[in-house]
Amino acid sequence: NAGVTQTPKFQVLKTGQSMTLQCAQDMNHEYMSWYRQDPGMGLRLIHYSVGAGITDQGEVPNGYNVSRSTTEDFPLRLLSAAPSQTSVYFCASTPGAAYNSPLHFGNGTRLTVT
Amino acid sequence: KQEVTQIPAALSVPEGENLVLNCSFTDSAIYNLQWFRQDPGKGLTSLLLIQSSQREQTSGRLNASLDKSSGRSTLYIAASQPGDSATYLCAVGNTGGFKTIFGAGTRLFVKA
Repeated sequence: NAGVTQTPKFQVLKTGQSMTLQCAQDMNHEYMSWYRQDPGMGLRLIHYSVGAGITDQGEVPNGYNVSRSTTEDFPLRLLSAAPSQTSVYFCASTPGAAYNSPLHFGNGTRLTVT
Repeated sequence: KQEVTQIPAALSVPEGENLVLNCSFTDSAIYNLQWFRQDPGKGLTSLLLIQSSQREQTSGRLNASLDKSSGRSTLYIAASQPGDSATYLCAVGNTGGFKTIFGAGTRLFVKA
């Protein structure tokens, strides 16, 4: 198993550009989520999904869209990048409520918006 | 709204010392509490998960406790080593476990 795979690892965008951060897991996990990590602020939840076709907002959803068309994939879209979105983005997954298992994290995408 | 606080923000100790990291949360209706380790520039590694019905979990030199009624958890590290130097994050899962909220972390430095 590859676990949780995030691409790309690094990305530089200009203000106003759009892009999609990819996240895929091969563990058949029901729950997936996106976090951003900024210095001194820990991880903040952007969006999460409890299954294919179901998504909801987390703590800091503005400026981001998500979709979950398959169990495996949970892409994060930046609609119009802003310097405030410069951050490290982490995708995570977990099996679901019946299992009470740890979150599995990808290695992150470091995004810089100039 | 669940809020998670970790104290201290940073800690420097000599090798061999036993130490305690603290985590507090505002809503006691939790599903689980997790402790993670993060090395600089890396992702997060799960250390321990305590289910809401449990009081503690142990793994090697690590012991985590949970007191839901007071909204507190502690991570105890015995006989610290330089390799333990990292940031330790506490995270609380909501009922159902589909939303997990993180604290800002404690940055630990163990001096040889």
